[in-house]
Amino acid sequence: SQQGEEDPQALSIQEGENATMNCSYKTSINNLQWYRQNSGRGLVHLILIRSNEREKHSGRLRVTLDTSKKSSSLLITASRAADTASYFCAPTSGTYKYIFGTGTRLKVLA
Amino acid sequence: DVKVTQSSRYLVKRTGEKVFLECVQDMDHENMFWYRQDPGLGLRLIYFSYDVKMKEKGDIPEGYSVSREKKERFSLILESASTNQTSMYLCASRSPGTGWRATEAFFGQGTRLTVV
Repeated sequence: SQQGEEDPQALSIQEGENATMNCSYKTSINNLQWYRQNSGRGLVHLILIRSNEREKHSGRLRVTLDTSKKSSSLLITASRAADTASYFCAPTSGTYKYIFGTGTRLKVLA
Repeated sequence: DVKVTQSSRYLVKRTGEKVFLECVQDMDHENMFWYRQDPGLGLRLIYFSYDVKMKEKGDIPEGYSVSREKKERFSLILESASTNQTSMYLCASRSPGTGWRATEAFFGQGTRLTVV
């Protein structure tokens, strides 16, 4: 199992702007997942992208995966105050374990 | 609606007490996990279970044990609570599948444990 490292650690934007956060990992993966955590709550799954996919969309979310650079990015378009949360990536391969990093703390200002 | 339920949102216990944190899922998932989350350290895996009565240590198992007697329930036990176990504890479950068949994890709402 391996841990993803999210970057930046914290991000503050105005409502309506786009937010981009990144995830890097060290070894080859089968897929990569993104999760959101609202303050003091459990994580909620957002999107899963497989290693043979380069881009995936879900509503206002766009995820890209570059396996050659071992990195992924999560773009949230037209951010809302309700998007304020921490975002975590979980790169996964042949293991039961999901390892999470420290996340990106996103603050969307109204 | 799928659910992972943790028995308490907030818990205050005394040093030296034996503490039980319970987690129940209603999705018939084989895999269940316990994490703790601390500021600046992210989520750290304590134990996971890939089936009933099966368990495996995560990255920080010291001071903890687990029990999985029924598929839907995964208990985390603090044998003798200490102040450094004050933390947010998160339970998760998912259906089995690794590699290409990896599946999303569902989390409980968390238990904020304070040991005094």
